[in-house]
Amino acid sequence: AQKVTQAQTEISVVEKEDVTLDCVYETRDTTYYLFWYKQPPSGELVFLIRRNSFDEQNEISGRYSWNFQKSTSSFNFTITASQVVDSAVYFCALSEDTGFQKLVFGTGTRLLVSP
Amino acid sequence: DTGVSQNPRHKITKRGQNVTFRCDPISEHNRLYWYRQTLGQGPEFLTYFQNEAQLEKSRLLSDRFSAERPKGSFSTLEIQRTEQGDSAMYLCASSQASGLAGIDEQYFGPGTRLTVT
Repeated sequence: AQKVTQAQTEISVVEKEDVTLDCVYETRDTTYYLFWYKQPPSGELVFLIRRNSFDEQNEISGRYSWNFQKSTSSFNFTITASQVVDSAVYFCALSEDTGFQKLVFGTGTRLLVSP
Repeated sequence: DTGVSQNPRHKITKRGQNVTFRCDPISEHNRLYWYRQTLGQGPEFLTYFQNEAQLEKSRLLSDRFSAERPKGSFSTLEIQRTEQGDSAMYLCASSQASGLAGIDEQYFGPGTRLTVT
């Protein structure tokens, strides 16, 4: 069975601080995909990144970076020099490569960035 | 705007009434998904279409729920005899099958918030 755990319910930081959002997943498959989505107050989920289980290279995109470690079943997300516009709920999601396109989401982490 | 659109954005209905939501995917996308999100939770998968074929349904989708995508373009989600437990945000997403193995990037619409009184 697939499961995604985001243990941090809410994180508050002050602008310019770095912040890491944790994601731990469970799957029996050797081929799977991991995602991060951002849900701002407007409600629309915004795609941030997709990684497959064979690519453990860390990725950096501007102020965003992702650390994928299969040994600990984690796919953590770091925002460097946080900004008020980063305030949102962030979801980690998992999909097994079964031919079906179902995403299993965690419960999300609410990030509050204050000026 | 070329993103996924959903209508209505909000719906308030009385228990026992039927409701229908519409989703218009990104025009070139052949895959369409419905999810449900309750307060404080992540989205939960409901069903998935490839073109007009409904390929997977979650057990969350009771007999009161039905989804269609008649011409492989827009989709409708109908809930019959609504219950208070149906109150949630209903999200639609779409993606384009790349022809390669793997899982697509799904692009989400703004959702329809249903309140059953």
